[in-house]
Amino acid sequence: GAGVSQSPSNKVTEKGKDVELRCDPISGHTALYWYRQSLGQGLEFLIYFQGNSAPDKSGLPSDRFSAERTGGSVSTLTIQRTQQEDSAVYLCASSLYQGKAFFGQGTRLTVV
Amino acid sequence: EDQVTQSPEALRLQEGESSSLNCSYTVSGLRGLFWYRQDPGKGPEFLFTLYSAGEEKEKERLKATLTKKESFLHITAPKPEDSATYLCAVQMNTGNQFYFGTGTSLTVIP
Repeated sequence: GAGVSQSPSNKVTEKGKDVELRCDPISGHTALYWYRQSLGQGLEFLIYFQGNSAPDKSGLPSDRFSAERTGGSVSTLTIQRTQQEDSAVYLCASSLYQGKAFFGQGTRLTVV
Repeated sequence: EDQVTQSPEALRLQEGESSSLNCSYTVSGLRGLFWYRQDPGKGPEFLFTLYSAGEEKEKERLKATLTKKESFLHITAPKPEDSATYLCAVQMNTGNQFYFGTGTSLTVIP
């Protein structure tokens, strides 16, 4: 596709359930980022992929959060045993190695 | 501690009233500074990259400049459609993540 695609666009889940968020980056982009944006807050870094490996996972807030990337393309962010404080917009971005990153529209996660 | 600070938090302008948004940074070894525009309910949209002090980039009514300590986003004769949140981010030589400021919410009144 022409841009970064994220799905679902909205997700409502019950506290304690697991969720998976998907990101399809721009074709050919080797770098992929996950960020989280809470209401009124700045973008919070979660994880960075270069190809299929994640050299920087320093932003993952707890071991309930994990992410993988396969085939140097699609990435999935998984949140286990969701908590209300996990409610936020999860943004994915991709770039050519280093440099300007292009963002998707985000997945709005609401934990009830 | 590395930090990115944007000011003001919010700005209301009359249509045609030019102004500037500020992004100050205290990072060691800047690789690049990036400006994004974010509309409500959307992901950030890339505007500019600046790499070295003295560099300037322009696009329509927007012009971004960079010094060793800060960047300005100048908006000339803004229109209501320029209303959005403008985000600044920096990337350091030693890593790959982008550090974002909390943004400036711009409202342009017709």
